[in-house]
Amino acid sequence: EAGVAQSPRYKIIEKRQSVAFWCNPISGHATLYWYQQILGQGPKLLIQFQNNGVVDDSQLPKDRFSAERLKGVDSTLKIQPAKLEDSAVYLCASSSSPGDEQYFGPGTRLTVT
Amino acid sequence: AQSVTQLDSQVPVFEEAPVELRCNYSSSVSVYLFWYVQYPNQGLQLLLKYLSGSTLVKGINGFEAEFNKSQTSFHLRKPSVHISDTAEYFCAVSEPGSARQLTFGSGTQLTVLP
Repeated sequence: EAGVAQSPRYKIIEKRQSVAFWCNPISGHATLYWYQQILGQGPKLLIQFQNNGVVDDSQLPKDRFSAERLKGVDSTLKIQPAKLEDSAVYLCASSSSPGDEQYFGPGTRLTVT
Repeated sequence: AQSVTQLDSQVPVFEEAPVELRCNYSSSVSVYLFWYVQYPNQGLQLLLKYLSGSTLVKGINGFEAEFNKSQTSFHLRKPSVHISDTAEYFCAVSEPGSARQLTFGSGTQLTVLP
């Protein structure tokens, strides 16, 4: 069984630029999560999808972050414009349903200069 | 609101020695508890979880954890560590409900020394 795929693995951009991350969850997993992991901290949930609907985006900075999961499979997370404090690892995870074991991708390490 | 405190940010230990990584949580309701491991440049992998039943939970790679409701703790233990156990360990809590989201602690870096 293929795991959660994410791309790119690394990205360096200048502040005020835009960036997008892609996630392909495990086949059949209806629930998809995006987390932000700042160096030295645990992952923080940004947004949770159930199929193509948003379950919770209360911690997503909506003035600059957006996410979509149009067909209930792949998802993209976008930052526009980026700030220095957005430097972090962005993790995608999926589960068959809310509360089931979450499987994490390798993450995208974003550096904003 | 739930929160998780991992009391040690770094734990160095010699190979074949025992180790305990401490985790305390706060919540007003019954919770589910998890330990994840993160190896360098990789995503998180579930080590073990407590949902209900026996308070002693066994996980992968020889790790175990004990749920203590009165002390609101879920400490992770291994009787004899290996160099390959060097990684970051995260404790997480989830409250029952439709979303059942995870709240993570800040992590403990376990370094096993030869």
